[in-house]
Amino acid sequence: GDSVTQMEGPVTLSEEAFLTINCTYTATGYPSLFWYVQYPGEGLQLLLKATKADDKGSNKGFEATYRKETTSFHLEKGSVQVSDSAVYFCALSEGDKIIFGKGTRLHILP
Amino acid sequence: DAGVIQSPRHEVTEMGQEVTLRCKPISGHNSLFWYRQTMMRGLELLIYFNNNVPIDDSGMPEDRFSAKMPNASFSTLKIQPSEPRDSAVYFCASRWQGDRTGELFFGEGSRLTVL
Repeated sequence: GDSVTQMEGPVTLSEEAFLTINCTYTATGYPSLFWYVQYPGEGLQLLLKATKADDKGSNKGFEATYRKETTSFHLEKGSVQVSDSAVYFCALSEGDKIIFGKGTRLHILP
Repeated sequence: DAGVIQSPRHEVTEMGQEVTLRCKPISGHNSLFWYRQTMMRGLELLIYFNNNVPIDDSGMPEDRFSAKMPNASFSTLKIQPSEPRDSAVYFCASRWQGDRTGELFFGEGSRLTVL
């Protein structure tokens, strides 16, 4: 079945460092891809999305590009802030179901 | 506008007791999802409904778990009898079924502890 694999955390970086969180997927069709973020004590919220190959989603300085040839959707940010500390989930949507990766916890040190 | 509303936010119960978690989706949304989050297994889809009808319950762990959606504005997830391994955060989420690329809106979760 469809699945999402993302790098295990926690990831610890200093403020202003470059961030990459890897995500790969398996799907039988042509899914839409998402990154969600979860702050402590809250539910998940959408960070960005891409609906077809080569699309780039972006929001709040984060970016991810839908790479069909490598079945990947890596999350990047050029300069992270302490406020970016959270858990990040890669997800795919094919049909009605939305499948999430296990999440990557990110710690940003001041 | 109110988001997805879940209750209770926290529940502590003893093994063998019945647990009922509640969810009110965003008005106008016709797809509702129940997820379970644990450190070991991450975020697991338990069941989802379209237009109040259960579509896929293959993620429900076992017969102790049941979910209902009697109307468009209310859903319950019931565990009877509860066991310590059911301890987790349970999330409800909703969206408009007609937009499969659209955002899924989550509630704040119900943290369940079974002693």
